[in-house]
Amino acid sequence: AQSVTQLDSHVSVSEGTPVLLRCNYSSSYSPSLFWYVQHPNKGLQLLLKYTSAATLVKGINGFEAEFKKSETSFHLTKPSAHMSDAAEYFCALYNFNKFYFGSGTKLNVKP
Amino acid sequence: EAGVAQSPRYKIIEKRQSVAFWCNPISGHATLYWYQQILGQGPKLLIQFQNNGVVDDSQLPKDRFSAERLKGVDSTLKIQPAKLEDSAVYLCASSFLESQYFGPGTRLLVL
Repeated sequence: AQSVTQLDSHVSVSEGTPVLLRCNYSSSYSPSLFWYVQHPNKGLQLLLKYTSAATLVKGINGFEAEFKKSETSFHLTKPSAHMSDAAEYFCALYNFNKFYFGSGTKLNVKP
Repeated sequence: EAGVAQSPRYKIIEKRQSVAFWCNPISGHATLYWYQQILGQGPKLLIQFQNNGVVDDSQLPKDRFSAERLKGVDSTLKIQPAKLEDSAVYLCASSFLESQYFGPGTRLLVL
């Protein structure tokens, strides 16, 4: 069975501090994994994707994620949060021509 | 490259009325998806098309929802009659292989 679990529904950080958004997955086969960001009243925008190449994936706006097969994780990180990073983030898995989404993590960035 | 287009952006209707949403995918993308996103949740797949054929409609409430993708390009999602619980954002996405791109969504409010 394929599934995605985002471990935190809300994360709050101060501007300039690191961001960690956690995602675990379950998949029978090697999946492709994605992180999307959704700003209020907007569609989902692709941040980065893992497709079985390098396990450390760099995305837009300074975000990166590391694929860890042994831990079935694909956590999203950023060294220094910016106010504009406040949004909702979705982890997703792709396998057998289907996408599976997590329930989302709302990131709040405090000044 | 033009993105996924959706219209209208907002719609307010009364329960038992009908409503239709339109989506034009990115040129050349064979796969088109309709998702329902209820406030505070991740996107839920309603229907997936490959060209003009249905790949997955297992979560589409077929007694009231219908969708079509004539000629394998743009698509229409219809709700008839609408219920209060249909209030949500309806997202259209298209993909080439495992890269999926989302439109801005249509926000539906059923009163």
